[in-house]
Amino acid sequence: KNEVEQSPQNLTAQEGEFITINCSYSVGISALHWLQQHPGGGIVSLFMLSSGKKKHGRLIATINIQEKHSSLHITASHPRDSAVYICAVIRTTSGTYKYIFGTGTRLKVLA
Amino acid sequence: NAGVMQNPRHLVRRRGQEARLRCSPMKGHSHVYWYRQLPEEGLKFMVYLQKENIIDESGMPKERFSAEFPKEGPSILRIQQVVRGDSAAYFCASSRDRNMNTEAFFGQGTRLTVV
Repeated sequence: KNEVEQSPQNLTAQEGEFITINCSYSVGISALHWLQQHPGGGIVSLFMLSSGKKKHGRLIATINIQEKHSSLHITASHPRDSAVYICAVIRTTSGTYKYIFGTGTRLKVLA
Repeated sequence: NAGVMQNPRHLVRRRGQEARLRCSPMKGHSHVYWYRQLPEEGLKFMVYLQKENIIDESGMPKERFSAEFPKEGPSILRIQQVVRGDSAAYFCASSRDRNMNTEAFFGQGTRLTVV
């Protein structure tokens, strides 16, 4: 079992829909990072959070440390939101920190 | 303030050749991380370097792979005698320090194809 699990693995939505991507983890973490990767593209940071909720534009990220769960929400989805969304947890061991990545959620938003 | 710069973006090598991947961290960042993304798989940690030091190379294959981050110049990930299984996207990230609250920023990646 992966230390970081994302669901769903694939998601197709119609433009305008509200989208939720979930991330569950089984290890102790310092923080959690949501990343976006377009096909053939680089990786863009969306949010880094260790508690509560953050909002940026149409994107909202929440985390529940006790339940070891985070969600990424996209409101009023648009075809340009089509990408792979990656959840990564930051684990601190021996004074260094490491990213442990989920396998990503592939989102396709249809016009 | 340029982001993390990786080059080349695409690299094709024949089996047995050497591949050199470069990563210039963001200005003011002295911590560099390399990750590998195999086709249809998630990112996997390879190595963490600070200027002139390898801090953690627990994710790096023991043979053929090496990394450095010299005092001057970019960080280099070197793969000797490449094989088809090395075909992947290699991403570099940099951060200002090793503090758990410091965000790491990612480069565009180098896509290596071994033919």
